[in-house]
Amino acid sequence: DAKTTQPTSMDCAEGRAANLPCNHSTISGNEYVYWYRQIHSQGPQYIIHGLKNNETNEMASLIITEDRKSSTLILPHATLRDTAVYYCIVRGDYGQNFVFGPGTRLSVLP
Amino acid sequence: ETGVTQTPRHLVMGMTNKKSLKCEQHLGHNAMYWYKQSAKKPLELMFVYNFKEQTENNSVPSRFSPECPNSSHLFLHLHTLQPEDSALYLCASSQRQGASTDTQYFGPGTRLTVL
Repeated sequence: DAKTTQPTSMDCAEGRAANLPCNHSTISGNEYVYWYRQIHSQGPQYIIHGLKNNETNEMASLIITEDRKSSTLILPHATLRDTAVYYCIVRGDYGQNFVFGPGTRLSVLP
Repeated sequence: ETGVTQTPRHLVMGMTNKKSLKCEQHLGHNAMYWYKQSAKKPLELMFVYNFKEQTENNSVPSRFSPECPNSSHLFLHLHTLQPEDSALYLCASSQRQGASTDTQYFGPGTRLTVL
């Protein structure tokens, strides 16, 4: 079973920041938070991952709360091409695989 | 482009056919994965290969038979499939299975329809 909880769907206006929340209240100290997205009928695309500190790359920012029980993926200026299902995954030690839940369906509206 | 390619992109087959799906990665990775994604369902892990050895088979029916001849190539051989096997089949690769920071990169998938 997925260890994360995400809203089923969200809307965001084009050009605005999209903030996608994820709850992972049972996360353990050595588990990372990963984000992927899947545009309709394509393979999932890696976005970003982090352990404790906030992370930023060319695609997005990842904000992890101090207690690590939740995180937020931020797309700073959403475009129509960011419309996709976004998956938040918690993964740790050797032997653990990625477990994909239903994710959040983000619709970026013109 | 993620460095993981899959062929064919679309496949229609009858229940008595035998076909194969191919995956190739150009990332120098040592682990490769097959996932199945049925309509409106999350991705399900099917098989894992690490350094050419199969390390996981998640109770997949024997009509699906994986093959990993080297670290760059992964096949999924299909025979006597059922209509409920129609799905998007995704291949992924990573540096090696299981490290907590081991990121998987996915191919575009093969859309399989079983008639």
